[in-house]
Amino acid sequence: GAVVSQHPSWVICKSGTSVKIECRSLDFQATTMFWYRQFPKQSLMLMATSNEGSKATYEQGVEKDKFLINHASLTLSTLTVTSAHPEDSSFYICSAPVAESDNSPLHFGNGTRLTVT
Amino acid sequence: AQSVTQLGSHVSVSEGALVLLRCNYSSSVPPYLFWYVQYPNQGLQLLLKYTSAATLVKGINGFEAEFKKSETSFHLTKPSAHMSDAAEYFCAVISGNTGKLIFGQGTTLQVKP
Repeated sequence: GAVVSQHPSWVICKSGTSVKIECRSLDFQATTMFWYRQFPKQSLMLMATSNEGSKATYEQGVEKDKFLINHASLTLSTLTVTSAHPEDSSFYICSAPVAESDNSPLHFGNGTRLTVT
Repeated sequence: AQSVTQLGSHVSVSEGALVLLRCNYSSSVPPYLFWYVQYPNQGLQLLLKYTSAATLVKGINGFEAEFKKSETSFHLTKPSAHMSDAAEYFCAVISGNTGKLIFGQGTTLQVKP
C-alpha cells in the first residue's frame, strides 16, 4: 500500500538552531501534503498545506517564517523549524492523499518527535 | 464548516468486550468521514472511511462503523476487544473540497485483561 516516509523520527536540538523534517511519498506522487502538529495527549492540529511548485498555505495562527515549508518535488516536502525554542517541542506529522480526489484518505508518516532544549 | 466531536476522551473495556467509540459530525453537505488509530509515538493508520457508498463500513482489524444521518453519527465498533487494540482513536472529516482532514479530539482506548 501507499507509504509516507518521514525523517527523522526524533530529534533533539538547542534553542536557536533550525531543524528540517522530511516527508516523502514512496510509491505515489503527491502534489499536496499536509503538516500536522500534535501536543501530548491532544489531537492533531493542521499547520499548513504543502503544494508542489507553489507556496504553502498556512492555517490561521501558524507563523510562516517560523515553519518554512518547501515542496520541492512530487515526492518530497520539507518542514523547517527555524530558530527553534522549547515551546516548539512537539510531535510533527506529515500526510499525503493517495489519490487526487476530495474523499481520498490521507496516509501519514510516522511522525517526528522534536525536543528543543 | 465541517467538524467532528468525539464523546469520551477515555474508554476502558475488558478484553473480549464490545468496543464502542462515539463520533458525531457537523456538516452542511454529505460528509466524508474517517477513523484513524494511533499507537504511541507513531503516525496515524487508516481504519476505515465513509464516502457515501454504504452506510455500514468495515475496516481493518475487525472494526466497523455505521453512518447514521438521522443521528449525525459515525460510531466505531468492534465486537470483541483485544489487548492490541489499546491505542488512540481519531474520527476525522474532510473539510470542504480542500482535502484537509479535520480531527476530533481523540479517544484513548484502554483494554483490561
